[in-house]
Amino acid sequence: QVQLQESGPGLVKPSETLSLTCTVSGGSISDYYWCWIRQAPGKGLEWIGDIYFSGSTNSNPSLKSRLTMAIDTSKNQFSLNLRSVTAADTAVYYCARVEVGGYYDFWGQGTLVTVSS
Amino acid sequence: QSVLTQPPSVSGAPGQRVTISCTGRSTNIGAGYDVNWYQQLPGTAPKLLIYGNSNRPSGVPDRFSGSKSGSSASLAITGLQAEDEADYYCQSYDSGLRGSHVFGTGTQVTVL
Repeated sequence: QVQLQESGPGLVKPSETLSLTCTVSGGSISDYYWCWIRQAPGKGLEWIGDIYFSGSTNSNPSLKSRLTMAIDTSKNQFSLNLRSVTAADTAVYYCARVEVGGYYDFWGQGTLVTVSS
Repeated sequence: QSVLTQPPSVSGAPGQRVTISCTGRSTNIGAGYDVNWYQQLPGTAPKLLIYGNSNRPSGVPDRFSGSKSGSSASLAITGLQAEDEADYYCQSYDSGLRGSHVFGTGTQVTVL
């Protein structure tokens, strides 16, 4: 059974960079797309972007200018960096596996990131 | 702002049937892209409920069913149970947003 676990700081200051890592266990990171999804408090789900094991990425146009994603197949990890954050970036951030049909079959438990000084 | 619209809430008594609509447009559902559904229980991560419009992953009860027609999709829950009280989201792909995966606005299901 594939498992995903997000890790990173729970508090980030405004204008700084939000950095998260997702560690995949129980399966190889190869041959799949992996994605980040967030959910602001009391709000719906928002797709952030995805990354293939080869390193190619797709991003939400509204976040693309601030977003960098990377993947480390040797560690079975992928990561997200979101620059110049504001309070609007406060959310629970989830990582998930993307199946061929474009759906998300395995999810991490999520990690709350609060942007505040 | 989501391009897939769902009713904010639906409710039903135990044992009843409820449906949740997901309305899109010609650049997403209407373009033929598949619709997927997720269930999010309070305080937990979303869980895949339906994929490819109408397919259930292993372990999902057959009380849950999905369908798609034109630019819309629907999730039906028959024999509603207390444990079905959750938020439900549809999800698809939109070619009109420079290639974005999009979620619906979400629907809260309440079991009366």
